[in-house]
Amino acid sequence: AQKITQTQPGMFVQEKEAVTLDCTYDTSDPSYGLFWYKQPSSGEMIFLIYQGSYDQQNATEGRYSLNFQKARKSANLVISASQLGDSAMYFCAMREGPRTNTDKLIFGTGTRLQVFP
Amino acid sequence: DTAVSQTPKYLVTQMGNDKSIKCEQNLGHDTMYWYKQDSKKFLKIMFSYNNKELIINETVPNRFSPKSPDKAHLNLHINSLELGDSAVYFCASSQDYGGRYQETQYFGPGTRLLVL
Repeated sequence: AQKITQTQPGMFVQEKEAVTLDCTYDTSDPSYGLFWYKQPSSGEMIFLIYQGSYDQQNATEGRYSLNFQKARKSANLVISASQLGDSAMYFCAMREGPRTNTDKLIFGTGTRLQVFP
Repeated sequence: DTAVSQTPKYLVTQMGNDKSIKCEQNLGHDTMYWYKQDSKKFLKIMFSYNNKELIINETVPNRFSPKSPDKAHLNLHINSLELGDSAVYFCASSQDYGGRYQETQYFGPGTRLLVL
C-alpha cells in the first residue's frame, strides 16, 4: 500500500491566488513527521515546511501553511498569494518514528504546479 | 557556504564503466543519505549512514557501494553501470537518527547520471 499519496499529478493556479496541494499518508506509527519539498526545474530539492504528528497547530512558514487533519491522515500544503516562481514539482514526504524505527523519508509521486499570470 | 554539496553535477558515461559521486555536508549532521530519483520523478532511499556506520541498505544492487570516510562525507561508487542506472542521485543529511522523525533532511543539488 502507498504510504504517501498525492492524487494531483498537475495543478494550475493564477498568480496571486491560493492553491492547495493534496497529500494523504498511511502509517501505524503514532509518531511521525510530514514534510513538503519543492523541486523547481533547476532540479534541487528545497525543504518548505514540517508538521509533527503531535503538533497541535498547523505549521506555517511564510506563504506556506500545512492543513493537517490527523484523523483523515491528510497533510495538504496551502500556498497563498501564488507567484510565478512557485511553478515547480512539490513532494510530500513522511518520516516514521521509533515504533517503525526507520530513518528514511518516504515520498509521494509529486504534484506539478504551474502558476500563470 | 553550501550546506550539502555533490560532485559532479552531471555525469555522462558508457555502459559497463565504473563511476563515483561525492557528497559533503557542512551542517555538522550525523546522518547522510543517498536517494535515487527516476525518470518519473519518483524519489526512493538507497542508503543511509550514521557516523560512518551503514544504517539503511534498501535492496540496492551490490554494484552500488556507499563509502563514508567521515561523518561529513558520503560517496557513492557504482560498478558496471547499466542503462537503468540513469537517474538523478541526491545526497541528503540530517541531524540524528533512531526515531528522530522530526529532523529535516536537507538535500544536495543532485547528480544527473546518464548511461549510454
